[in-house]
Amino acid sequence: AQSVAQPEDQVNVAEGNPLTVKCTYSVSGNPYLFWYVQYPNRGLQFLLKYITGDNLVKGSYGFEAEFNKSQTSFHLKKPSALVSDSALYFCAVRVPDGGFKTIFGAGTRLFVKA
Amino acid sequence: DTGVSQNPRHKITKRGQNVTFRCDPISEHNRLYWYRQTLGQGPEFLTYFQNEAQLEKSRLLSDRFSAERPKGSFSTLEIQRTEQGDSAMYLCASSWGAGETQYFGPGTRLLVL
Repeated sequence: AQSVAQPEDQVNVAEGNPLTVKCTYSVSGNPYLFWYVQYPNRGLQFLLKYITGDNLVKGSYGFEAEFNKSQTSFHLKKPSALVSDSALYFCAVRVPDGGFKTIFGAGTRLFVKA
Repeated sequence: DTGVSQNPRHKITKRGQNVTFRCDPISEHNRLYWYRQTLGQGPEFLTYFQNEAQLEKSRLLSDRFSAERPKGSFSTLEIQRTEQGDSAMYLCASSWGAGETQYFGPGTRLLVL
């Protein structure tokens, strides 16, 4: 079955430290991969995506993600966390079957402590 | 352009009643998606449209659910004979082009009593 896994419900990190939010996927073919962020009482916002090309993708707010085909992973990273990064992060994959169905992970809550 | 809008933002209804939600996508976007999100979960795909054509429906979308996008612009999602299990946040998103970045609306929160 096609799926997206975010193995950590919550990630805690101190401000200024690097952060990683993990994502692995299980789909056939070459998927499009996305990260979205959800702040309280706000809609999901696009952070970054991987379609093809360089495995390291840079996105909004200083975030980046690395596509690893052999490990079927697309981990979100940031070199130095900010308190304002605290939010709910979702990994998503577009199923590469000619349609546009997108599967989301369950989400990881990031807490950045001052 | 102010982004994707959804109305109403909140809806409380009694079990067995019908409800209809509206989504207005970003004007030049040809694809429109509906998702359902429950507490502690990611958005679950329900259906999507390319222009006015509904191209895919999830098995989650039972016979009580119907979606339309009559002129390829706004879309409506109707739930008939609501059940308590329908209580959730209903999200709409739109996109354009091959890059497939989806832009989400604020959602409609449904509570079925």
